Amino acid sequence: GENVEQHPSTLSVQEGDSAVIKCTYSDSASNYFPWYKQELGKRPQLIIDIRSNVGEKKDQRIAVTLNKTAKHFSLHITETQPEDSAVYFCAASSRGGYNKLIFGAGTRLAVHP
Amino acid sequence: EAQVTQNPRYLITVTGKKLTVTCSQNMNHEYMSWYRQDPGLGLRQIYYSMNVEVTDKGDVPEGYKVSRKEKRNFPLILESPSPNQTSLYFCASSVGTGTDTQYFGPGTRLTVL
Repeated sequence: GENVEQHPSTLSVQEGDSAVIKCTYSDSASNYFPWYKQELGKRPQLIIDIRSNVGEKKDQRIAVTLNKTAKHFSLHITETQPEDSAVYFCAASSRGGYNKLIFGAGTRLAVHP
Repeated sequence: EAQVTQNPRYLITVTGKKLTVTCSQNMNHEYMSWYRQDPGLGLRQIYYSMNVEVTDKGDVPEGYKVSRKEKRNFPLILESPSPNQTSLYFCASSVGTGTDTQYFGPGTRLTVL
């Protein structure tokens, strides 16, 4: 079945630096790739997503890139702030697209002032 | 306020004692699902439902049951809980499919002794 690998598992940066989290997926039929942010003790919330017909999407300080040939996608956070500290999950759609998401194991990002 | 609610938020129980975790959404969403979150494993889907009376297994369905008799409710049932079901459980809903934005409930922390 579909597998999503996420790296690194932990990431520590200084405030103002950039952070990059990478995910690879196995199902070539996957066509939807969201990123969720989970703050400590809170529920996951969607921060950005990309579909397979585009290669990059940006929303203020966050961006996601997709390489369908290599089957990997990445989350880029620029000018990091302490409030960016959280666990980030990538996900990929499975079974040709519509019924479920397969999540990565998560990346714990710590932004130090 | 549009939301997904879960009850209870915390539960400690003993092996073999049947329990139900309720999930309700007020957004008229068709798609609902249950995930469990375990350290280092990310979010794994237990069951999902595309609409009333339509449910299907996710990646880790063993030991769980669900029902979808009404559009707004999607309870998770553990007929005979075991310690390996100790986890953080999230219910989620979306407009139509697994590839729409998932709105997560606040989570239920379950401990099975």
